[in-house]
Amino acid sequence: GAGVSQSPRYKVAKRGQDVALRCDPISGHVSLFWYQQALGQGPEFLTYFQNEAQLDKSGLPSDRFFAERPEGSVSTLKIQRTQQEDSAVYLCASSEDREPYNEQFFGPGTRLTVL
Amino acid sequence: KQEVTQIPAALSVPEGENLVLNCSFTDSAIYNLQWFRQDPGKGLTSLLLIQSSQREQTSGRLNASLDKSSGRSTLYIAASQPGDSATYLCAVRHNAGNMLTFGGGTRLMVKP
Repeated sequence: GAGVSQSPRYKVAKRGQDVALRCDPISGHVSLFWYQQALGQGPEFLTYFQNEAQLDKSGLPSDRFFAERPEGSVSTLKIQRTQQEDSAVYLCASSEDREPYNEQFFGPGTRLTVL
Repeated sequence: KQEVTQIPAALSVPEGENLVLNCSFTDSAIYNLQWFRQDPGKGLTSLLLIQSSQREQTSGRLNASLDKSSGRSTLYIAASQPGDSATYLCAVRHNAGNMLTFGGGTRLMVKP
């Protein structure tokens, strides 16, 4: 079956531009997560949705970062006024999140480069 | 705050060797632990998930163990192959939240 998909796979932005990254979770998965992975490091949590509700946004690094999942399926991570330190791979994951099916499945990521 | 550490950061072995990757975490109140594989420029592939009530999980040549009380997990890879070359990440899910906290990964190179 189809896994988690993300688009675009690569994005180059000039400093100050706004970007929008899309995540299509596995169909029927209730939970959706966004992570940020800097080069050579493990992913770090950004935000979590259960259906359309954003239950945890404690990992968002600044108010320039905004995520939504209006219909409880597709999610968009938006970064306003991008800065060079925003350059990273942005990973999306989804999960059924019901016992015992609480494994998180990851998409291929979007590599963002801010010039 | 949960912290996850993986040792070693990098490992190079000849083909055929059995090897152990280590993961430690500071807060033993975990819900589960996942081991992932990441190939260069790719996303994460889930290898094994161990629930907090379990001691180990096996899949093919992979065996992962969990010792909650000591805050440790190991990933054992038997008869390593060049195709096993990748970065291996462990991640814990805390009881209090749904997010995963990742270690920094172990970069494995298996030489033919």
